[in-house]
Parts: sequence; C-alpha cells; structure tokens
Amino acid sequence: NAGVTQTPKFQVLKTGQSMTLQCAQDMNHEYMSWYRQDPGMGLRLIHYSVGAGITDQGEVPNGYNVSRSTTEDFPLRLLSAAPSQTSVYFCASSSPTRVYFGPGTRLTVT
Amino acid sequence: QKEVEQDPGPLSVPEGAIVSLNCTYSNSAFQYFMWYRQYSRKGPELLMYTYSSGNKEDGRFTAQVDKSSKYISLFIRDSQPSDSATYLCAMSRDAGGTSYGKLTFGQGTILTVHP
Repeated sequence: NAGVTQTPKFQVLKTGQSMTLQCAQDMNHEYMSWYRQDPGMGLRLIHYSVGAGITDQGEVPNGYNVSRSTTEDFPLRLLSAAPSQTSVYFCASSSPTRVYFGPGTRLTVT
Repeated sequence: QKEVEQDPGPLSVPEGAIVSLNCTYSNSAFQYFMWYRQYSRKGPELLMYTYSSGNKEDGRFTAQVDKSSKYISLFIRDSQPSDSATYLCAMSRDAGGTSYGKLTFGQGTILTVHP
C-alpha cells in the first residue's frame, strides 16, 4: 500500500512551458485534491475532486487545469508556466475524516 | 486578512520542554480542526483531529479548541528532538469539506527541539 504517490519529485521549467504533475492513490478514496505550499503562506487549495469526472476550483485555481478520469489518478496541468508558479505542490487523498498527503513535487519556473 | 493566522516562529526549545503552538481564525463557520506535522522535504501528516470545543489528548500531544475565542492550540509535553518539524493548523467548515480535502491552513510554525 503506497498511499499517495507523486511524480516527478523535482522539475525545472522555463516560462511558457507546459507540464503535468502526476498523482496517484491506492486507497480507493473518492476525494482528491491539490495544494501548493509557499514560504509564509501555508498550504493553499488549487483544485479538488469528489469522484471520477467531477472536479471543482479551490482558493488559487488560475493557471492550473485538472481532470479525473479514474478514481486512482488526479493529474495537475500547468498550461503555460509562470515564475509565480514556483512552489511545492502536494496532492492529497481523503477518507471521511482524514486527508493523506503525498511527498510533494518541487517546481521551479525560470 | 488571512482566515487563519499562525505564528511562523521559528521556535527553539530544549529537550523535555512543554511546547505550545497556537492558531487564531476569523471565520466562525470553521467546525473541524486539525494539526499536521511536516518534516523537512516531506508531506504533512495528520497529528490531531478535533470537532468540538475542549481538549483532546493523544500521548504527549494535546489539542485544545476554544470556539468562543476562535483559538486553537497544540501542546507537546516532554518534547523530543524527533519533534523538530513544521506544525500546521488546518480547519474546515464541515465534515464534507474535510472529506473533500478542502482545508484552510495556517502558515505553519517551525519548531526545533535541541538536546
């Protein structure tokens, strides 16, 4: 049981490039979410999903797209990376009373 | 003004000390309160989860919620060097929000416990 896995662990992008951050969970949870963590800001919710085919925006959704085609996977897409998207990204998977976080992806946009 | 305020520290204490970590919040709709521990370059992990006002104890950790003051605390007794981490408070408006992973976090407090 791997829990929540994220790839890649590290990534450097140039401004304007696109990429997808991968997230998978093996706990059969319906609910998944994406957060970004910046110094002095805590974690902020980007997007979340309550099941396959259903997604919604969080606090800071601009510049990010998500889709949920299976229960296990919840990828986060950056269509045109900007330096303001330099951050640590955490994927999470939730049971009714507990949120499990992945190990994070450190993204730098130059 | 942020919905949840947490003193970022850093906080440095000797081994064995009692540590007090605090958060205040402005939105009275928050009903569920959590504390997460995050080691360097790792994801947050849940330490404590509470619903109502009052105290909840788990080993060396005690979570306290005062909804009338919009104030929550985490106490660590007999602190150990292995407790050195960032501690994040988090809250949600309802059980559904918690289920969906819709949490509002404080900024996190960096704690160092030195031998």
